[in-house]
This record gives sequence, structure tokens and C-alpha cells, in this order.
Amino acid sequence: QVQLQESGPGLVKPSETLSLTCTVSGGSISSYYWSWIRQPPGKGLEWIGYIYYSGSTNYNPSLKSRVTISVDTSKNQFSLKMTSVTAADTAVYYCARDPNALDIWGQGTMVTVSS
Amino acid sequence: DIAMTQSPDSLAVSLGERATINCKSSQSVLYSSNKKNYLAWYQQKPGQPPKLLIYWASTRESGVPDRFSGSGSGTDFTLTISSLQAEDVAVYYCQQYYSTRTFGQGTKVEIK
Repeated sequence: QVQLQESGPGLVKPSETLSLTCTVSGGSISSYYWSWIRQPPGKGLEWIGYIYYSGSTNYNPSLKSRVTISVDTSKNQFSLKMTSVTAADTAVYYCARDPNALDIWGQGTMVTVSS
Repeated sequence: DIAMTQSPDSLAVSLGERATINCKSSQSVLYSSNKKNYLAWYQQKPGQPPKLLIYWASTRESGVPDRFSGSGSGTDFTLTISSLQAEDVAVYYCQQYYSTRTFGQGTKVEIK
């Protein structure tokens, strides 16, 4: 059974770079697209972007200038980097398998942007 | 970008009664070549990640109770809970995957 687990710092300073990793277990990262989604406290879901195992990517236009998603098939992981963060980037960040609809999600990791 | 708008923002339904949530996309999410609507529905309970309920607008994910059903085509879609149970209290989101991905703002379902 495929499972996803997000990891990374829970606190990031303003203007710095947020870095998260999603580890895929119970299955191969090869095949499928893999997405990052975030949810600010008390608010709705926002899709950040996805990556195919081959490395091709697509990003939310509103975040595209600050976001990079990469994949490491040898580790069965994919990662998110978001630059120049502000308090508005405080959210729970989820990774998910994305074979069209998002069928398997990680539990999410809370990232707070604060000095 | 395709914008998704849900209505209502919240609704309260008596146990055993029907709950209906609407979702409208700013452009069609029906792909003409395969006649599939690229539309999914999710359920999110507090402190949990979203759970996929419906994909291709009307196909239930494995294990989802049959009281959940999806309908619609093109730009207008509906999620129906035929007989609301206490465990269905949650926020429900629609999402299009026709062009990248976009979520609706969510609809909170409560017990009346």
C-alpha cells in the first residue's frame, strides 16, 4: 500500500527558502505525477505544482516564480523549494499522488513563517 | 486558469436527509476526445488530509459509501450525499484536473 510522508523544517524565517521532501513508500515513484498542495490555517486548498517521475513539471501560475519541484527516483522522493517566503506562506503542506485526481495524500506538515 | 466556485459555502442538513453541493467551473472540463469530465470531489475532516471521494465527475473511489454520488458535465457539477450520516460532517472540495489543478473554496457540511 502506497504511503506518502512529508518532512522538513516546521519554522522558516521570512525571506528565506522553504524546503520540504515527500518520501513515497510501498510503491515506486516511477509512473504517475506527484503534487504539492498547501492549506493555510482555517482556509481552503491551494495546488502548488506537480512533477512527473521523468522530471517534467507544472506550477500554479501564482507561485511559479518562487517554486521548484524536483524528483529523486533513486530515493523514491520528490521535493519542494519555495523562495522568499512571507507569513502568507504559513500553511500545512501536503504531498499527494496525482494520476489525474489526487488519490493518495500524506498527513501533511505544518510550516510556519516567522522570525 | 480554470476557476472553481462551489455553492453554498456551508449547509446544515438533518441526519438521514439529502445534502447537495454544487460546483461550477469557469470553462468546460469535459475533454472531447474521451468524453470524460476532469472533475474530482474530496472530503476533509478536521486535522486530516483530504480524501478522494469521486473522480471523472461520477466514479466513486474504492471504499467510498454509495450514499455519495457525483453528477454533471461540462461546467456544472453536483456532489450528493443521499442520506447524511454523522460521520459525513466535513468540508467538501471540488477540483478540476483538466488544466493543471484548481480547487473550489470548499463547502462545510454540518448536522442540523
